[in-house]
Amino acid sequence: EPEVTQTPSHQVTQMGQEVILRCVPISNHLYFYWYRQILGQKVEFLVSFYNNEISEKSEIFDDQFSVERPDGSNFTLKIRSTKLEDSAMYFCAAAGRLNTEAFFGQGTRLTVV
Amino acid sequence: AQSVSQHNHHVILSEAASLELGCNYSYGGTVNLFWYVQYPGQHLQLLLKYFSGDPLVKGIKGFEAEFIKSKFSFNLRKPSVQWSDTAEYFCAVSPNTNAGKSTFGDGTTLTVKP
Repeated sequence: EPEVTQTPSHQVTQMGQEVILRCVPISNHLYFYWYRQILGQKVEFLVSFYNNEISEKSEIFDDQFSVERPDGSNFTLKIRSTKLEDSAMYFCAAAGRLNTEAFFGQGTRLTVV
Repeated sequence: AQSVSQHNHHVILSEAASLELGCNYSYGGTVNLFWYVQYPGQHLQLLLKYFSGDPLVKGIKGFEAEFIKSKFSFNLRKPSVQWSDTAEYFCAVSPNTNAGKSTFGDGTTLTVKP
């Protein structure tokens, strides 16, 4: 099965620092998503991205968060000033033209200290 | 808004026992349904999916699920579990043309005792 690749696999950052999580979707995929899973909790939708703009976002996705696809391949999630409660596993997902199935990356574990 | 309910928070079974994990969803339109497994410390892996057609879907590792439209259910089953099936299981639903806008259930932790 085609892979969605995320880097880094684990990042530790100090509170207040900016972090950028990277995702390389499957080529030719057009729809991109970020999810978050706080330890021991369920996976939560953050944001969807299509045609170089946000198409939908959840209430979790506040002004501290931003997404972009700067070079047409990488899809990034930026957290401007991290808080302790941002510690979680962040999953990227991508879907093709028909948008019927999303492929998940392996996740980035973010630890804010 | 769509929602997913997984009835069992934690299930403990002995090896070779049969498994059924409940999943009910709420959504006003046509949906795609998924079961994911997450082994300790690892990422989400797709076990199986239902888009249309035969409501009995077979997935990897001997798992299957049955979509019952009238009950808005998509229960996961396995006839005989193994110790290696110990993991967290998530049911998810998405609108059929918005795959990434998935709503996940709270998850069920399965512990299989050897």
